[in-house]
Amino acid sequence: NAGVTQTPKFRVLKTGQSMTLLCAQDMNHEYMYWYRQDPGMGLRLIHYSVGEGTTAKGEVPDGYNVSRLKKQNFLLGLESAAPSQTSVYFCASSYGQTNSYEQYFGPGTRLTVT
Amino acid sequence: GQSLEQPSEVTAVEGAIVQINCTYQTSGFYGLSWYQQHDGGAPTFLSYNALDGLEETGRFSSFLSRSDSYGYLLLQELQMKDSASYFCAVRAYSGGYQKVTFGTGTKLQVIP
Repeated sequence: NAGVTQTPKFRVLKTGQSMTLLCAQDMNHEYMYWYRQDPGMGLRLIHYSVGEGTTAKGEVPDGYNVSRLKKQNFLLGLESAAPSQTSVYFCASSYGQTNSYEQYFGPGTRLTVT
Repeated sequence: GQSLEQPSEVTAVEGAIVQINCTYQTSGFYGLSWYQQHDGGAPTFLSYNALDGLEETGRFSSFLSRSDSYGYLLLQELQMKDSASYFCAVRAYSGGYQKVTFGTGTKLQVIP
């Protein structure tokens, strides 16, 4: 099992450009999450999904959109990138509500917006 | 809302014991998790406490006091490879779902 994978690993964008980050998991998990991690800020939840076809806003959703068309995939989109979105983005998944305390993380995507 | 507090940095000697504290404020509390993250790596799950008391997993133990809104991670027989950041995370009921909120992390440096 690959666990949680993220594509791409690194990306540099110019202000105003758009991109999509892909997260895939092969553990049949119901819940999936997108976090951003900035120095001294810990992990902040952007959006999450409690099942195929569902999405919900997290702590810092502005400037991002998500989709969960298939259970195994969770996409994070930036429509018009800004320098404030320079960060490391982590995708995670968990079995479900009762196991949400144990999340499995992908390797991360390092995004720089110039 | 939810808030968590943990020290930003801790330094300890190889072979020693170190305790990383976490205090939280939240409603609908379910439990407290701990994660480890090495520089450049992804967070990995270490432990979870839903009830008061100590949970032991090898060299690592985690403690919870629900009445004090407090928990800690105890690392024994420290090794150089334990140098990493450690995050506590609160699981709480919010808006119809059980959400997990992470603290800002404690950077542990193990020195020879």
